[in-house]
Amino acid sequence: QVQLQESGPGLVKPSETLSLTCTVSGGSMSSNYWNWIRQPPGKGLEWIGYIYYSGSTNYNPSLKSRVTISIDTSKSHFSLKLISLTAADTAVYYCARAPGGDLVIDSWGQGTLVTVSS
Amino acid sequence: QSALTQPASVSGSPGQSVTISCTGTSSDIGSYTFVSWYRQHPGKAPKLIIFDVRNRPSGVSNRFSGSKSGNTASLTISGLQAEDEADYYCSSFTTITTLVFGGGTKLTVL
Repeated sequence: QVQLQESGPGLVKPSETLSLTCTVSGGSMSSNYWNWIRQPPGKGLEWIGYIYYSGSTNYNPSLKSRVTISIDTSKSHFSLKLISLTAADTAVYYCARAPGGDLVIDSWGQGTLVTVSS
Repeated sequence: QSALTQPASVSGSPGQSVTISCTGTSSDIGSYTFVSWYRQHPGKAPKLIIFDVRNRPSGVSNRFSGSKSGNTASLTISGLQAEDEADYYCSSFTTITTLVFGGGTKLTVL
């Protein structure tokens, strides 16, 4: 059973950059799509983007100019970088796995709350 | 991409059935059978309960069923139980190979 665990700062200042890492254990990173999804407090889910194990990426068009997702399969982790933060980026950030290109999310991390505030 | 449209809330009594709709467009639900449903309890990560419109992952109760017609997908929960009280989200693959979620529906078991 694959497990995912997010790590990173809980508080980031406006205009700065958010960097989060997701560590994958209990399974291979190969042939999977690794996703970032966020959820503002009290609101719905928003897909941020994915990286395939080979390194190809795809992003939500509304966030594409500010997002970079990278992967290091040798360390069993993938990462999210989101630049130019505002209060609207305050959310619980989840990392998640989709085994196939249809992006069915079958495994989720527990989520980490990131607050953007000075 | 715009979020899929779900009712903000639905409710039902124990033992009854409820249906949650999820409306998209020809760029997402209307083009694929890649519709999924997730259940989220407060403070927890979402859990997959339906994939590819109508398929249940191993271990998910057969009280959950899914369907699709045109640009609208639906989740039906039969034999409502107290544990079903949660938020439910639909998602769909899109024609630009992204993923879009619905706004979420809060299910209250009366």
